[in-house]
Amino acid sequence: DQQVKQNSPSLSVQEGRISILNCDYTNSMFDYFLWYKKYPAEGPTFLISISSIKDKNEDGRFTVFLNKSAKHLSLHIVPSQPGDSAVYFCAVSTSGTYKYIFGTGTRLKVLA
Amino acid sequence: ETGVTQTPRHLVMGMTNKKSLKCEQHLGHNAMYWYKQSAKKPLELMFVYSLEERVENNSVPSRFSPECPNSSHLFLHLHTLQPEDSALYLCASSQETFGALATGELFFGEGSRLTVL
Repeated sequence: DQQVKQNSPSLSVQEGRISILNCDYTNSMFDYFLWYKKYPAEGPTFLISISSIKDKNEDGRFTVFLNKSAKHLSLHIVPSQPGDSAVYFCAVSTSGTYKYIFGTGTRLKVLA
Repeated sequence: ETGVTQTPRHLVMGMTNKKSLKCEQHLGHNAMYWYKQSAKKPLELMFVYSLEERVENNSVPSRFSPECPNSSHLFLHLHTLQPEDSALYLCASSQETFGALATGELFFGEGSRLTVL
């Protein structure tokens, strides 16, 4: 059974609007959460992270929100740009381990 | 060179062949990883090396054999693979802070696309 789920395999958003990508996890022991972006024929690249002591982390156009009670993570991109079109993976980990567990990814398409 | 580099980028092999995937990181990190990405599946952790010692073997079949000769290099030796082993194999590295909250972001290479005939 998957411990990390990204239930939307794809998402289309108009340029300039907000993109919201969602991720759910099952284990309350996870305490570090990351988002990665992947372009075709490239490896995933780190985007933004958040630890369990926070509920929000912002970096430019990217904001990650963490709802620990709901075991839910989201990534907001605003304003969305065509260059943001990629596959986005959420990942979770637990302190003291080396296991980063990834979701299946959401393919974001930003329409010009 | 910078970042994490993987060679070869593409590999086609028969089920009886022996081949190796190579990964090199130029970031001074202390942990290296092998992940497998199959179609429509999440990235699956295979192996983790910390300070050249294997710390994680995620129930990977013995036909995959990792080797970490130093903190900058990681190999994945392949032998008698099956067609279902065809996938993108991603190497990653991180700088781990031991005994503290995990803050080490993974830096990935571009992957080695493996096809087993």
